[in-house]
Amino acid sequence: DSGVTQTPKHLITATGQRVTLRCSPRSGDLSVYWYQQSLDQGLQFLIQYYNGEERAKGNILERFSAQQFPDLHSELNLSSLELGDSALYFCASSESFGETQYFGPGTRLLVL
Amino acid sequence: DQQVKQNSPSLSVQEGRISILNCDYTNSMFDYFLWYKKYPAEGPTFLISISSIKDKNEDGRFTVFLNKSAKHLSLHIVPSQPGDSAVYFCAARQRNYGQNFVFGPGTRLSVLP
Repeated sequence: DSGVTQTPKHLITATGQRVTLRCSPRSGDLSVYWYQQSLDQGLQFLIQYYNGEERAKGNILERFSAQQFPDLHSELNLSSLELGDSALYFCASSESFGETQYFGPGTRLLVL
Repeated sequence: DQQVKQNSPSLSVQEGRISILNCDYTNSMFDYFLWYKKYPAEGPTFLISISSIKDKNEDGRFTVFLNKSAKHLSLHIVPSQPGDSAVYFCAARQRNYGQNFVFGPGTRLSVLP
């Protein structure tokens, strides 16, 4: 158990819809990262937050957004969903930035 | 352009033998490298790391070797066990450039009993 929690574990929705994925980092970690893993692909970095502020952006679509709240949990919002958005979405946390990241179990999103 | 490459999508090894997983990178500014292991339906688990100031780091059955001139690192697992069967990701960080990690596509290791 990494100490990072993600909800929900599974999510099935339809094209055009909007969903919110939630992540709680390990106790004491200030950085939260979001990754997408499509079928048999590597981990694609989406976005990072550090202590409530956006720190770095990767290959995140404009339809996607995220935020980190004062209690340090984070949410990833995916809107106008397309079939190709079906993937595993992982959250990771670290004490600061550039440190070893610890991953949550992921949310499996299926867009029908 | 893939900055971190794992050219072997899969690898099969007999139990008790050595597993060697390879990773190549193109960015000479990377200064810190990690290996993660991932089981199906679980998040990646941190395994071992190495800083660019070292050429070897060992933790139990796992050893990571770094060859900076060749921009190559490898993970050795000795002896391999069936529980090591998983996907292994190599990741690299460039200091002072977002401080974020770039992940390779992964290598699926199967340890056969």
